[in-house]
Amino acid sequence: GQQVMQIPQYQHVQEGEDFTTYCNSSTTLSNIQWYKQRPGGHPVFLIQLVKSGEVKKQKRLTFQFGEAKKNSSLHITATQTTDVGTYFCAGPDRDNFNKFYFGSGTKLNVKP
Amino acid sequence: DTEVTQTPKHLVMGMTNKKSLKCEQHMGHRAMYWYKQKAKKPPELMFVYSYEKLSINESVPSRFSPECPNSSLLNLHLHALQPEDSALYLCASSQTGNSNQPQHFGDGTRLSIL
Repeated sequence: GQQVMQIPQYQHVQEGEDFTTYCNSSTTLSNIQWYKQRPGGHPVFLIQLVKSGEVKKQKRLTFQFGEAKKNSSLHITATQTTDVGTYFCAGPDRDNFNKFYFGSGTKLNVKP
Repeated sequence: DTEVTQTPKHLVMGMTNKKSLKCEQHMGHRAMYWYKQKAKKPPELMFVYSYEKLSINESVPSRFSPECPNSSLLNLHLHALQPEDSALYLCASSQTGNSNQPQHFGDGTRLSIL
């Protein structure tokens, strides 16, 4: 199956600081999705990237898909306490397009 | 608010019990999923139903038995579970089941096996 690794595992930042999480795949991905899971909550879809080199923005969040479509990043500018949670990337299985695997996740803690 | 509803929210059961988890969605989605999530880990795919047919079983032990009575409902029947099966069980749905579609998750059932 597909293995999608994320770094860092944990990140503690002061409110107002920036945050970035990176997602790496051993194989080329047809697309990548990002989800956020608040503590005690469920994963919530944030965005999907499909094209090589694609960059998408949602307010303070910037998502990038690498040129080789093997890596992706999520950058948050000026974090707020509402950004607390675990951010997962998810990519399709290389052998079965109908399933995808979540990355290991990055847990973000924001100190006020 | 979530458009995927799971019941119950919490479940405590003994290893000899039989229970069922339920999931419902009314978004017209034709694919539904069961995931298992342990603490501090990502969701792990268990089963996928597409157009009410089981399309993916990730080598899940037979003590977990999925059922999809219709396109809006998904059940997970539990029997003779082990303590290591304690986890958050998440249901999700997507339009047709392709991995290029976003998945909508329910709040999950937190299961504890005594």
